[in-house]
Formats: sequence, structure tokens, C-alpha cells
Amino acid sequence: NAGVMQNPRHLVRRRGQEARLRCSPMKGHSHVYWYRQLPEEGLKFMVYLQKENIIDESGMPKERFSAEFPKEGPSILRIQQVVRGDSAAYFCASSGQGNSYEQYFGPGTRLTVT
Amino acid sequence: AQTVTQSQPEMSVQEAETVTLSCTYDTSESNYYLFWYKQPPSRQMILVIRQEAYKQQNATENRFSVNFQKAAKSFSLKISDSQLGDTAMYFCAFIGGINFQGAQKLVFGQGTRLTINP
Repeated sequence: NAGVMQNPRHLVRRRGQEARLRCSPMKGHSHVYWYRQLPEEGLKFMVYLQKENIIDESGMPKERFSAEFPKEGPSILRIQQVVRGDSAAYFCASSGQGNSYEQYFGPGTRLTVT
Repeated sequence: AQTVTQSQPEMSVQEAETVTLSCTYDTSESNYYLFWYKQPPSRQMILVIRQEAYKQQNATENRFSVNFQKAAKSFSLKISDSQLGDTAMYFCAFIGGINFQGAQKLVFGQGTRLTINP
């Protein structure tokens, strides 16, 4: 049973470009969460999605950031017009229905904005 | 809002020693879970141990055990017979408000950097 997959593992973008981060949940999981980890800090919740629905986006910056989890395909975290402060590790986690407390993490995507 | 506090930014012990990492949390929830995650240099988040708030018995996983003090809102991690491979960042985390739809967010502490010296 494959774990949570994230790609790319490393992404370099210049200021003003767009960044797209992908997450494929564990097989059978329908809940996806995105977390951001700034250097030397803990992970901070960004958004929680189920298939085709955003359930909780209370941790998502109001501008430039968006997330989706389509019926088919991976979840996408999109950052438009990136700035240096967006440089961080972005982790995706997934859980199954009724097991929300068991979140399994992907390896993360390290975004560097130059 | 729930908060998780780890008051030890860094710790260092010799191999084979026992080390305890501290964590306190704040919540008004009655039904919640607490976790310790390990993040080695690879940055992969690895679940070390989990504790359900309604269980009085402290969770154990091999060399890892917790001291869960619900009234004091304290959740410390004890690593016995520490090994070089235990060197990592350790994060305490909380998830509360579990309902039948599941899926609440994990709230993490700031982390403790643990170094095991040979």
C-alpha cells in the first residue's frame, strides 16, 4: 500500500512565478490536509479538503494561495506570484473516513523562492 | 484555540541514556488525541506514539513511552536506551473536536531538537 506521495520534492521559483505542489493521498483515503513548515518551526495547518470540497481553509493566506482536490487526480496547492517569504517545506497528509486522527504524512515539498 | 508548547528547544544526551521531552497543551475539548512525531534530517514526519485523552493508561511503543497528565495538560515523551538514530526534531501535536465526519487539524508545538551523542 503506497504511502502519501508528493511531487516535486524540491521546487525552485523566482519571485512572481507560480508554484504548484501535488499530493496523492494514501490509497483509500479521502481526506487531505496541507501544512507549512517555516525554517526552525513546527508545522502549521493550512487547509483541509475532501474530494471536490474545501472543508477548512482557516490557515490559508487570503491572497495568492489556493487548494483543490478534484474528483480525479491529486490534490493541488497553488501559490501565485511567489515571494521570498513563501520559501518553506509544504507537507501533505491524508486520512481515511472515520480515522481523522490518523494522519499520514508525505515526504514534503521544499519550495525555495529566489 | 488550542495551543501546544514545547519549552525545550534543544536537548543532548549520550547514547543509551534516557531522555524526557516536555510538552504542555491548552484546550477546552474533552475528546482529543495527542501525538509525538519525529522529523529526522530527511524531513519525513514519522509518528512515534499516540495517546487518546479518554485512556488513563500511558501509551508505550518499545523504547518510547509517554507520561500523560490530563489535569495538568502535560504530555511528555520518554525515550529509553537512546540510540544514534533517535537524533531528530521531535514535535508534540494535538487534535481535538473529533466528530463523525472526522478530520480536524493537527496543532503542533515548536519542536525540540534532540541529539544523541556516541
